[in-house]
Amino acid sequence: GQQVMQIPQYQHVQEGEDFTTYCNSSTTLSNIQWYKQRPGGHPVFLIQLVKSGEVKKQKRLTFQFGEAKKNSSLHITATQTTDVGTYFCASEGFGNEKLTFGTGTRLTIIP
Amino acid sequence: DADVTQTPRNRITKTGKRIMLECSQTKGHDRMYWYRQDPGLGLRLIYYSFDVKDINKGEISDGYSVSRQAQAKFSLSLESAIPNQTALYFCATSDLSEQYFGPGTRLTVT
Repeated sequence: GQQVMQIPQYQHVQEGEDFTTYCNSSTTLSNIQWYKQRPGGHPVFLIQLVKSGEVKKQKRLTFQFGEAKKNSSLHITATQTTDVGTYFCASEGFGNEKLTFGTGTRLTIIP
Repeated sequence: DADVTQTPRNRITKTGKRIMLECSQTKGHDRMYWYRQDPGLGLRLIYYSFDVKDINKGEISDGYSVSRQAQAKFSLSLESAIPNQTALYFCATSDLSEQYFGPGTRLTVT
């Protein structure tokens, strides 16, 4: 079945530093979604990318979808304590119609 | 009010007991899902349903069953709970894109 690998598993950064998490697939993806789960909470949808090479921004967050549609990244500029949580990528392969989630990157911030 | 609700929120049960987790949504979506979350393993799909008459196994369906009672309701059952089913369980619903998750049910099997 389709697998989406996500790295790193954990990331500890000083407040104000940047943070990046990566998702990689061995197969071409129809789209990529990103979710954030706060400690003790549930996953919340952030964004969906569909087009090859697509880049979208939400304030300090930048999302990219690779040219080959096999990888994606989420970059946070100048992290804040509100960014704490686990970030998941998720994707459908073509025709699958269901999401496969990456294992997540847990971000902790050192004040 | 929350779009997706789950009951119970926490449950401790003994090995061999039958337990049902319930999920309701007010989004009016046809698609509903049950996931299991374990530390370091992300979210793994147990079962999903694209409409009331449609039920599909996910990647880890063994030991679980589901019932789609209505468009808004999707329940997950553990017929005979075992300790390695201790986990956080999420229900979700979607249209054709983003998924909306419930608050989760923390299940402990002793």
